[in-house]
Amino acid sequence: DAEITQSPRHKITETGRQVTLACHQTWNHNNMFWYRQDLGHGLRLIHYSYGVQDTNKGEVSDGYSVSRSNTEDLPLTLESAASSQTSVYFCASSSGLAADTQYFGPGTRLTVL
Amino acid sequence: QKEVEQNSGPLSVPEGAIASLNCTYSDRGSQSFFWYRQYSGKSPELIMFIYSNGDKEDGRFTAQLNKASQYVSLLIRDSQPSDSATYLCAVKGHTDKLIFGTGTRLQVFP
Repeated sequence: DAEITQSPRHKITETGRQVTLACHQTWNHNNMFWYRQDLGHGLRLIHYSYGVQDTNKGEVSDGYSVSRSNTEDLPLTLESAASSQTSVYFCASSSGLAADTQYFGPGTRLTVL
Repeated sequence: QKEVEQNSGPLSVPEGAIASLNCTYSDRGSQSFFWYRQYSGKSPELIMFIYSNGDKEDGRFTAQLNKASQYVSLLIRDSQPSDSATYLCAVKGHTDKLIFGTGTRLQVFP
């Protein structure tokens, strides 16, 4: 069965370290998204990609970067982790068809000390 | 004004009752509307989507859309304790990006 996976599921890191969160989907979806979810803010879009070599900034992109070298993967990198980036991160993918929606991975809980 | 607004709740209903969850949105160009359910510590999962004005039913769930009033709702009939979760409303315009509300927490008590 097609799925979307994230790793690691939990991560503790220190302020200033570079961190990369992995997202892998086997839906063969063109579109992939990264969100963070914080109490009181809901899901906020960090970056998104509509295909290989395409990346775009979302509403809360500062301090984050992504790259898309193949269809299946969209890793999210925190260049220099900050305590404000402690959050739960969700990856999602979609086919891009009007009748389709986004399907979410299980999430990564990141703590920056 | 937030783009997608939901009452944070909690909305408490007794088992067997109808739960009514509401969502308003600000962008009149919004084209499609989604309801996700999120259990504590889990990822959002799609329950229903709706594109046209009116009602759409799927089992115990009914989505209602009124584009003139910029209002979308989700009714859950015969509510069960297993329905206790946070329900997220999401809105999509002409791009594939979703705008999410902050969610309504539903509690169904026996």
